[in-house]
Amino acid sequence: ETGVTQTPRHLVMGMTNKKSLKCEQHLGHNAMYWYKQSAKKPLELMFVYNFKEQTENNSVPSRFSPECPNSSHLFLHLHTLQPEDSALYLCASSQDGSLTDTQYFGPGTRLTVL
Amino acid sequence: SQQGEEDPQALSIQEGENATMNCSYKTSINNLQWYRQNSGRGLVHLILIRSNEREKHSGRLRVTLDTSKKSSSLLITASRAADTASYFCGAAGNKLTFGGGTRVLVKP
Repeated sequence: ETGVTQTPRHLVMGMTNKKSLKCEQHLGHNAMYWYKQSAKKPLELMFVYNFKEQTENNSVPSRFSPECPNSSHLFLHLHTLQPEDSALYLCASSQDGSLTDTQYFGPGTRLTVL
Repeated sequence: SQQGEEDPQALSIQEGENATMNCSYKTSINNLQWYRQNSGRGLVHLILIRSNEREKHSGRLRVTLDTSKKSSSLLITASRAADTASYFCGAAGNKLTFGGGTRVLVKP
């Protein structure tokens, strides 16, 4: 276990649904990340939060809405997704938001959009 | 464009053999990190090598870094079936970016 948990582990949703992914880290870290991992594509950084403030948004469509209420919790709110959004969504944390620090990943949420 | 790119994309070896995979990157880096991912799971950090280091060891892992060639290699010695996974390099320039990974299959 890496100290980063994600729920749910699997999610199937229709294009009109609204759902949320949750990530929690128990490492006392200050930075948290959302990544998207699609088949046969490199890991894509989506968002970075450092001390609860968003410091990076890699041109992610607005149908993905992150929320970071404190340094231990990170959410990804999903609405009106497309089938191409089906992927493994990984949360990670690091001691600080330097973006070059070692990152600790959760097990991921496997999302399927029908 | 992505920073880290792994080569080969896939590798199949017998248990006990060594596995070597390479990573190339494009811009200057602060450090380079190697991660492992079991199927459908998150990435697990294996080893970090700083830009001023040339070689680093951790158990059965050996990592080299050649900043003049912008490349790194990961060697897993005496592989085991449990080493079957995908391995990713993360090039830490102004941020950590990953390649597509090398899928390693270790056959018993």
